Amino acid sequence: SQKIEQNSEALNIQEGKTATLTCNYTNYSPAYLQWYRQDPGRGPVFLLLIRENEKEKRKERLKVTFDTTLKQSLFHITASQPADSATYLCAVYNQGGKLIFGQGTELSVKP
Amino acid sequence: DGGITQSPKYLFRKEGQNVTLSCEQNLNHDAMYWYRQDPGQGLRLIYYSQIVNDFQKGDIAEGYSVSREKKESFPLTVTSAQKNPTAFYLCASSFIPGTAYTDTQYFGPGTRLTVL
Repeated sequence: SQKIEQNSEALNIQEGKTATLTCNYTNYSPAYLQWYRQDPGRGPVFLLLIRENEKEKRKERLKVTFDTTLKQSLFHITASQPADSATYLCAVYNQGGKLIFGQGTELSVKP
Repeated sequence: DGGITQSPKYLFRKEGQNVTLSCEQNLNHDAMYWYRQDPGQGLRLIYYSQIVNDFQKGDIAEGYSVSREKKESFPLTVTSAQKNPTAFYLCASSFIPGTAYTDTQYFGPGTRLTVL
């Protein structure tokens, strides 16, 4: 079955630096991959979706890449700010039509 | 003001009691979902529904029940059969996967259930 693996270790970076989070999936390559942000005690919020024919997608300070050969997506936040501190989840639909989430990577941006 | 709401935000239950968590959406989505989230873990699917009066079990349905009498509402009952019910419960909704350009899910604020 499809599995999503994200780095379970928290990522601590300095304000202004670029944060890079990794999402790896097993088995088949999905048609698209989604990234969500979750703040403590709140529901996830959708950020970006990237399709298999898109190598890169940008939205303001966010950039997502999708490498179907490596079965990997990278999520970048440039010029990071303390307000970017949160847990970031990646998700793909499995062949049964269910959205499968990774366990998330916690990002902490220090001033 | 469109969105998805859950109530209550915090819920305490004694062992052996059933409890129902509310989820309502006004996004005109056909699909609704219930997830459970435990500390340090990802979201695990409990139940989902794509049409009124029909729903399917997710990966961890044991000890839970749902109903879908209205398109807008998808309540979850945590029964006394659920052995470890203390968790953060999230409801979500979306267009039916594959029918829209984007299949993103919209989440409610969550209900934190604690069994005493």
